[in-house]
Amino acid sequence: GAVVSQHPSRVICKSGTSVKIECRSLDFQATTMFWYRQFPKKSLMLMATSNEGSKATYEQGVEKDKFLINHASLTLSTLTVTSAHPEDSSFYICSAPEPSDYNEQFFGPGTRLTVL
Amino acid sequence: DQQVKQNSPSLSVQEGRISILNCDYTNSMFDYFLWYKKYPAEGPTFLISISSIKDKNEDGRFTVFLNKSAKHLSLHIVPSQPGDSAVYFCAASESTGNQFYFGTGTSLTVIP
Repeated sequence: GAVVSQHPSRVICKSGTSVKIECRSLDFQATTMFWYRQFPKKSLMLMATSNEGSKATYEQGVEKDKFLINHASLTLSTLTVTSAHPEDSSFYICSAPEPSDYNEQFFGPGTRLTVL
Repeated sequence: DQQVKQNSPSLSVQEGRISILNCDYTNSMFDYFLWYKKYPAEGPTFLISISSIKDKNEDGRFTVFLNKSAKHLSLHIVPSQPGDSAVYFCAASESTGNQFYFGTGTSLTVIP
């Protein structure tokens, strides 16, 4: 089946720095990718929809200047957490829809961000 | 506003017995539903899906039931195995878009 990868799997950074997380579709093209954030004991929260060749669409309450999304190619979307703070520490997951069955999503393994 | 709800945060079941995980939704436009399974420190993996034209879909030990009038779906695992211990998320979407709304998850523990 289709595979989505994320890099890095874990990252620790100092407060005030920026962190870039990559999401790649390994064996299929994805014009759309989704970025989620998981809060402890809570659901995956959709942050934004990444669109290849155009601006990302952000969900209400998500700061677009803080969470920069760039869909550079049909196989790569990046999420940059700018000026990270400890409250940004979380598990970030991306997903891409199955090309032949658009209702199915393939999820990346996630990136654990810890901001000190 | 949580459009998809899983009201049981946790569930414990003896190995070999049936596990029933429940999910409720509020948006009547949802017509495609999925269950995901998530192990700690990993991304969710797709488990089983159902569209609104069906009321049941079965895949091996996993069966999903959909009650559209009640806006309720459930996942049955029979027989439950210790390897099934994980967090299970239900998700829903409208057919016109690819955005999914997730429930808060139910942590299943299958006791050997």
